[in-house]
Amino acid sequence: RKEVEQDPGPFNVPEGATVAFNCTYSNSASQSFFWYRQDCRKEPKLLMSVYSSGNEDGRFTAQLNRASQYISLLIRDSKLSDSATYLCVVNPSGTALIFGKGTTLSVSS
Amino acid sequence: DGGITQSPKYLFRKEGQNVTLSCEQNLNHDAMYWYRQDPGQGLRLIYYSQIVNDFQKGDIAEGYSVSREKKESFPLTVTSAQKNPTAFYLCASSPGFPYNEQFFGPGTRLTVL
Repeated sequence: RKEVEQDPGPFNVPEGATVAFNCTYSNSASQSFFWYRQDCRKEPKLLMSVYSSGNEDGRFTAQLNRASQYISLLIRDSKLSDSATYLCVVNPSGTALIFGKGTTLSVSS
Repeated sequence: DGGITQSPKYLFRKEGQNVTLSCEQNLNHDAMYWYRQDPGQGLRLIYYSQIVNDFQKGDIAEGYSVSREKKESFPLTVTSAQKNPTAFYLCASSPGFPYNEQFFGPGTRLTVL
């Protein structure tokens, strides 16, 4: 099993749609979880950290399910500017962060 | 403005030449990292440094070298031993290691002709 797995997509949705991405991780002792956003040919940028209790930042909601070892990202009311690749990132206990390959989102008008 | 800078943005080199990529941060972060990203691929860790004068190999260190003489600087040298050096190179830093989020520089696109 790969350390961090994501559905590569692409997810093609209309403006205003709600879209959810899931990510699974293999190391049950992982301590830190993040979602990053990467635009084409740009650097990844931190979107949000993921906490055990779940957290929300505007239209974005992240949740962690430790028992099933997956992380989710929900985007409500999608905007054209949300089009990007979303990277799931996990710290598998005491080593450097592991990045998933990303899920591509395309929002159309 | 605090941040991470990488230079140059684009770099072209002939096969067999060593090349050094610059990474500087003024965030006062202890840890710094180098990643490589190939088209359609995830980020792969080359080297990381938790503290000045110390660094560790990542998953794909062969053909690369680094130094960490100053807290602010973590240059990466791509040597002629690296078989496929053409890639997008990203430098990152974090306030601590290993649980903190990382912040990235704008990257350097290296093309070896």
